[in-house]
Amino acid sequence: DVQLLESGGGWVQPGGSLRLSCAASGFTFSSSAMTWVRQAPGKGLEWVSAISGSGDSTFYADSVKGRFTISRDNSENTMFLQMNSLSAEDTAVYYCVQGTMTLHYWGQGTLVTVSS
Amino acid sequence: DVVMTQSPLSLPVTLGQPASISCNSSQSLVYSDGHTYLNWFQQRPGQSPRRLIYYVSNRDSGVPDRFSGSGSGTDFTLKISRVEAEDLGVYYCMQGMYWPRTFGQGTKLEIK
Repeated sequence: DVQLLESGGGWVQPGGSLRLSCAASGFTFSSSAMTWVRQAPGKGLEWVSAISGSGDSTFYADSVKGRFTISRDNSENTMFLQMNSLSAEDTAVYYCVQGTMTLHYWGQGTLVTVSS
Repeated sequence: DVVMTQSPLSLPVTLGQPASISCNSSQSLVYSDGHTYLNWFQQRPGQSPRRLIYYVSNRDSGVPDRFSGSGSGTDFTLKISRVEAEDLGVYYCMQGMYWPRTFGQGTKLEIK
């Protein structure tokens, strides 16, 4: 069975940083592009970032470009999201998702709260 | 960015009755590989989103056959033939062809 387990969420002050991780299992991770999607409290889904299977290609939403960095370690079957210069608008549940065009499997999400 | 517009945003339905959600994209979602990259997701209260349909009309494993997707180009529809209580939640369409990927606003399915 495919499993995606996010971690690294928590509370951070405005201007701070967090690094999210997504541990994957149940599929050939290195062959699969991956995506981060977030959902602010009571709001809809927002696509955040994506990365190719090799890690050579990365894509970002304008709202996070220059502040967030997506990466992956295929030897550890893990994807990361480094989030810098966080603001209240980044408060959300962050989901790790397999794929970039059809977004097949979703993790349970990790909550990031940015507040003073 | 490609804009995905869903309607209605709220859909009160009676159990056992049909329901239909529309999704319009501002650009064609037909890719060079011949596939149309329109997906539908269901999010039940308190749960992660779950993909229901990909390539407009392909149901995921385990998705009841009362769910169906249709459409082409820029206009798409998700239909539920007979709504059941477990269908309560929010439904999103999403395009997987252009960067950045974009979601519709979501349609909240409520049981009357």
